[in-house]
Amino acid sequence: KQEVTQIPAALSVPEGENLVLNCSFTDSAIYNLQWFRQDPGKGLTSLLLIQSSQREQTSGRLNASLDKSSGRSTLYIAASQPGDSATYLCAACNQAGTALIFGKGTTLSVSS
Amino acid sequence: ETGVTQTPRHLVMGMTNKKSLKCEQHLGHNAMYWYKQSAKKPLELMFVYSLEERVENNSVPSRFSPECPNSSHLFLHLHTLQPEDSALYLCASSQELVGHLSGELFFGEGSRLTVL
Repeated sequence: KQEVTQIPAALSVPEGENLVLNCSFTDSAIYNLQWFRQDPGKGLTSLLLIQSSQREQTSGRLNASLDKSSGRSTLYIAASQPGDSATYLCAACNQAGTALIFGKGTTLSVSS
Repeated sequence: ETGVTQTPRHLVMGMTNKKSLKCEQHLGHNAMYWYKQSAKKPLELMFVYSLEERVENNSVPSRFSPECPNSSHLFLHLHTLQPEDSALYLCASSQELVGHLSGELFFGEGSRLTVL
């Protein structure tokens, strides 16, 4: 059964810092992994989708990597901004390929 | 119209009420999902539909009843709920099931449910 863990649970950084959010999953036979952002009281916004055959994906200041053998993914945020403050969620596909299993998220606060 | 629309955004109901949550997607997707988000817990998968057929039923109590009349609409019928069912209910859709190349998941804004 797929389980997803995210570390740290919360992170506070000053504006301009580069930072890394970590995600680990128990079943390495995943089809894909997706990173989301959630603002308070809102739904989830898809940031990056990494297929099992890929090692990384980039979108603007965001870069996500995937290491299936170690069961890890990282989300790298370059030159953080106050607008990046949100909860970041990692989700890995379940064994049946029918749904995403989520971690609890990392709540990021970027101060100006 | 935004991609995935959920109504109502907020719902307060008593334990003996019957209500429904509605989800509509305008993306031409074939798969739709219900997730439950409670405080301090990860998102919990509830139901998955692909081409209007249920493919996942994640041990959800029978007081929650899903309905998928077509590939654009998904409902969650609520009956005799408990206060611990209070949560944010999120609907999502994807072109195909998430295990496929086109399986990127898109979410609605959620329906905030409070059970008194």
